[in-house]
Order: sequence, then C-alpha cells, then structure tokens
Amino acid sequence: EVQLVESGGGLVKPGGSLRLSCAASGFTFSNAWMNWVRQAPGKGLEWVGRIKSKTDGGTIDYAAPVKGRFTISRDDSKNTLYLQMNSLKTEDTAVYYCTTVKVGAACFDYWGQGTLVTVSS
Amino acid sequence: QTVVTQEPSFSVSPGGTVTLTCGLSSGSVSTSYYPSWYQQTPGQAPRTLIYSTSTRSSGVPDRFSGSILGNKAALTITGAQADDESDYYCVLFMGSGSYVFGTGTKVTVL
Repeated sequence: EVQLVESGGGLVKPGGSLRLSCAASGFTFSNAWMNWVRQAPGKGLEWVGRIKSKTDGGTIDYAAPVKGRFTISRDDSKNTLYLQMNSLKTEDTAVYYCTTVKVGAACFDYWGQGTLVTVSS
Repeated sequence: QTVVTQEPSFSVSPGGTVTLTCGLSSGSVSTSYYPSWYQQTPGQAPRTLIYSTSTRSSGVPDRFSGSILGNKAALTITGAQADDESDYYCVLFMGSGSYVFGTGTKVTVL
C-alpha cells in the first residue's frame, strides 16, 4: 500500500525558514517523480513544484510564486522527499501535500494527508 | 499568467447528471494538456479521479467520466450520489514541467 506522510509543518515568522519532509513507502521511491502541492485556508489547490527521479535526470521545476525561495530535494536512501522553504511570506500559509506523479500521464497520483504551515508574526 | 477556469458551483439532484468544465483563459484545452480531475471533501486530501483526459484512476466508479467538450476539458457525473458532494479541481499540464490547477467547482447534491 502506498503511503506518503508529511511532517515538519508549524508556525514560523515572516522571513523565516522551514523544512518539510514526506516519508514514502509502498513503492519504489527512487523511480518516482514527486510533487509538492499546497492549499491556503479556504482556497483552492496550487502546484508548488516537481522533482524527477535521478534516473530521469532529477530535474526540478517550481511554480513562479516560490521560485528562488523554495528548494525541493530527495534522499532516495531514506525514501524521503523534502521541501526547504526560505524567506517565508504570510501568503505561504497553507497545507502542504506531497504527491506521486503518474509518469506518462502528467498527473498527481497518490497524495499524503498534508502538513500545515502557518506564517505569521 | 495562465488561468484555468472552472464553474464556482453546481447543484445536482440525487441520480442526476452534471458536467463540470475546465477552460483556459486564452486558448483551447486539448488532450495535449493531459487534463486530470481531483475530488476533495472538507478536511481531506484530494483524490485522483481522472487522468489523461478520460482514464479513470483505480477504484473510481464509472459514473465519473472525462472528455473534451468543445474547447474545454469536462468531468461528467452520471447518477450523482450524496457522497459526490465535494470540491472538484482540474489540472492542466503546461509543458516545461509545470502544472496549473483550476479554480475549483463546489458540487452540492440535493
């Protein structure tokens, strides 16, 4: 059974940093392309970024609002995906979900339950 | 900036049919955008319903179907049930590795 478990969320001040983790199990993580998606309170879903598998080049793409501030990485030895968030803004307040990518179908496949990040002074 | 538009809300009677659409602020949606659809109930993570325009994800009932209607992607619920009451989001793959979510549609079954 595929499981994605996010952690690391919490309260942080504007301008601060936070690192989210997504622990994966039930599939071959090293072969997987992975996404981060977020949802501000009461708002819609927003794509944050995607990382390909190392065998497919490990390319990372980001949405414009987070480019230059957020960094996606992976540790295949730990089956874990990361999202390093720097220079946080109040508008980054959201539940952050990690998802797998269904390669060849360009869609989000399995979803974690999410972790809440609150940016507030 | 690309905007993907969906109807804000729809109401459907139990057993009825409703079609949600997913359009582009400029241009037409085609299969090249690999449209996909997601269902989300309050407080829950989204669930994948449809990918590659019309392929149902594993375990998704066949009352959910996807298509291209005119210049938009579409999700049709045929024989709506009470537990279909949710928010529905489409996603378009914009190429160059980026995705855009639609604005979302709230479906009420009553």
